[in-house]
Amino acid sequence: KAGVTQTPRYLIKTRGQQVTLSCSPISGHRSVSWYQQTPGQGLQFLFEYFSETQRNKGNFPGRFSGRQFSNSRSEMNVSTLELGDSALYLCASSLDWGQRRSYGYTFGSGTRLTVV
Amino acid sequence: GEDVEQSLFLSVREGDSSVINCTYTDSSSTYLYWYKQEPGAGLQLLTYIFSNMDMKQDQRLTVLLNKKDKHLSLRIADTQTGDSAIYFCAETSNTGKLIFGQGTTLQVKP
Repeated sequence: KAGVTQTPRYLIKTRGQQVTLSCSPISGHRSVSWYQQTPGQGLQFLFEYFSETQRNKGNFPGRFSGRQFSNSRSEMNVSTLELGDSALYLCASSLDWGQRRSYGYTFGSGTRLTVV
Repeated sequence: GEDVEQSLFLSVREGDSSVINCTYTDSSSTYLYWYKQEPGAGLQLLTYIFSNMDMKQDQRLTVLLNKKDKHLSLRIADTQTGDSAIYFCAETSNTGKLIFGQGTTLQVKP
């Protein structure tokens, strides 16, 4: 059974550009969450999607957005990139909305974004 | 508010037991998790405990929960060099989002 797949693994962008990251959850998983990991702030929640609807959102500016498709794949977009957006972006999937906490969240390997 | 605290570093000898500690503040936390992160990798779910439990054992891993003190610990028995990694404690309440601690770097010396 394939795990959570994130693409690309590495990305280098210039300040002011925008970027789109992709996450394919485990087959059958319908809940997808995104997290940002930086040395200074640690792991911070971005947003969570279930059935193509954003169910929860963290404290990030509007430059950070996401969406989920009917096949549960999710994308996150960051517009007008800043140097501080350099981070490891992690996606996590879970089986179901109601039971997601007891099922646990399976993480992908992440996308390492570097903004120069 | 929601906050999770962990010590930053732990060093043990191979074969010894490791105990990683974590405290949390959200009294409505219902599930508490331990994740492991190896260099260049994502987070691997090691184990979790529901808040109505005091202890959970899974092979070499033992999780202890003191709900009154909001204290969680992860004990790794017979620690191996392959256990060297960063260990994250995380809580989740009804919102479902995970609140992570800063991570504890476990160094295992041969």
